[in-house]
Amino acid sequence: KQEVTQIPAALSVPEGENLVLNCSFTDSAIYNLQWFRQDPGKGLTSLLLIQSSQREQTSGRLNASLDKSSGRSTLYIAASQPGDSATYLCAVRPSNDYKLSFGAGTTVTVRA
Amino acid sequence: EPEVTQTPSHQVTQMGQEVILRCVPISNHLYFYWYRQILGQKVEFLVSFYNNEISEKSEIFDDQFSVERPDGSNFTLKIRSTKLEDSAMYFCASSTTFVGSNSPLHFGNGTRLTVT
Repeated sequence: KQEVTQIPAALSVPEGENLVLNCSFTDSAIYNLQWFRQDPGKGLTSLLLIQSSQREQTSGRLNASLDKSSGRSTLYIAASQPGDSATYLCAVRPSNDYKLSFGAGTTVTVRA
Repeated sequence: EPEVTQTPSHQVTQMGQEVILRCVPISNHLYFYWYRQILGQKVEFLVSFYNNEISEKSEIFDDQFSVERPDGSNFTLKIRSTKLEDSAMYFCASSTTFVGSNSPLHFGNGTRLTVT
């Protein structure tokens, strides 16, 4: 069974600092990995999707890397802003079915 | 940008009552999903739906749960007899293409179900 772990569980940084969020998964037979943002009491906003054949994906200040063989993905957020404060979830899709396995998330606070 | 919309945003019900959670997926999407998140826990998969039938379901999705696409736009999750442990945020999601694609899942804002 796929287990997805996110470390750290919480992170507090001053505005302007770069953020590094980690995601690890136990079964490397994945189809893709998706990073989401969740604001308190709200839904999940898709940030980036990395296909299993890709090493990284970029969107604006966000960059996500994937090392499938070691079961790791990292989300980098450059020059953090208070508006980046949220919980960030990673989710992996297995090769053989539709369901995503989620990590518990990293709650980020960016201090002004 | 097209969105997945869910109604209601919050539903309070008494134990043993039936509830129906409603979702309108993005219009050209073909695959539909329900996930849930119990407070303080991980988001977990419930069911996927394609071509008017269930594609896959988790162990959580027992006989008390059912899904339906009653018309061309709505996708519903019914819980027949709610239990206290059904209290959670329920998320609907949709994706555009078939198995083997890398289309991302798009989630709605969720319905918070509180069973008293």
